[in-house]
Amino acid sequence: EIVLTQSPGTLSLSPGEGATLSCRASQSVSSTYLAWYQQKPGQAPRLLIYGASTRATGIPDRFSGSGSGTDFTLTISRLEPEDFAVYYCQQYDISPLTFGGGTKVEIK
Amino acid sequence: QLQLQESGPGLVKPSETLSLTCTVSGGSISSSSYYWGWIRQPPGKGLEWVGSIYYSGSTYYNPSLKSRATISVDTSKNQFSLNLNSVTAADTAVYYCARVAYSSGWFRSYFDYWGQGTLVTVSS
Repeated sequence: EIVLTQSPGTLSLSPGEGATLSCRASQSVSSTYLAWYQQKPGQAPRLLIYGASTRATGIPDRFSGSGSGTDFTLTISRLEPEDFAVYYCQQYDISPLTFGGGTKVEIK
Repeated sequence: QLQLQESGPGLVKPSETLSLTCTVSGGSISSSSYYWGWIRQPPGKGLEWVGSIYYSGSTYYNPSLKSRATISVDTSKNQFSLNLNSVTAADTAVYYCARVAYSSGWFRSYFDYWGQGTLVTVSS
């Protein structure tokens, strides 16, 4: 199975700053088959990005995804207060579907 | 607006069977454009895909569950269900049901709508 490693584990930033989250795969993932989710405490995950770079419906354009092969990135251009959460990547290139361990973006 | 709602016991004894149902509203579970899936999250940990089902009944499971999981669908009730047998404390988790958007093959899929989740604790 494809193991996804997310880094850093925790990112401490202030509102208005930019955030760069990394997701590294144990083997190459077709760039079409990588998704990102946001999860706030006590809530279900919410789809942000699919196809590595396509924003889901209703997702603000401050969220962007990029990458290919084994290295993918989620960028939040300017953090809003509601963006402090845990972010997960998921690959859907090879079964079984797998998720990364998550990156927590916390308020500095 | 599509909504998914999990239901089932919050406490299951070790070695018994965990049974959950997901009720879909605001859309048809018989849509050919989607699968339906279960994902779980142990307290304080990450996400694990459990399995997915198509309205026709085709199912796919995470091999890590060692054939303990069974997912079924009831199109007349717009519901799908998860049974997980021989549970242990390691199966304690929040269980989410979700709509699965797919492209070229069932595993080329991600989760675009989620239920709120239900905590299932395995304990005697």
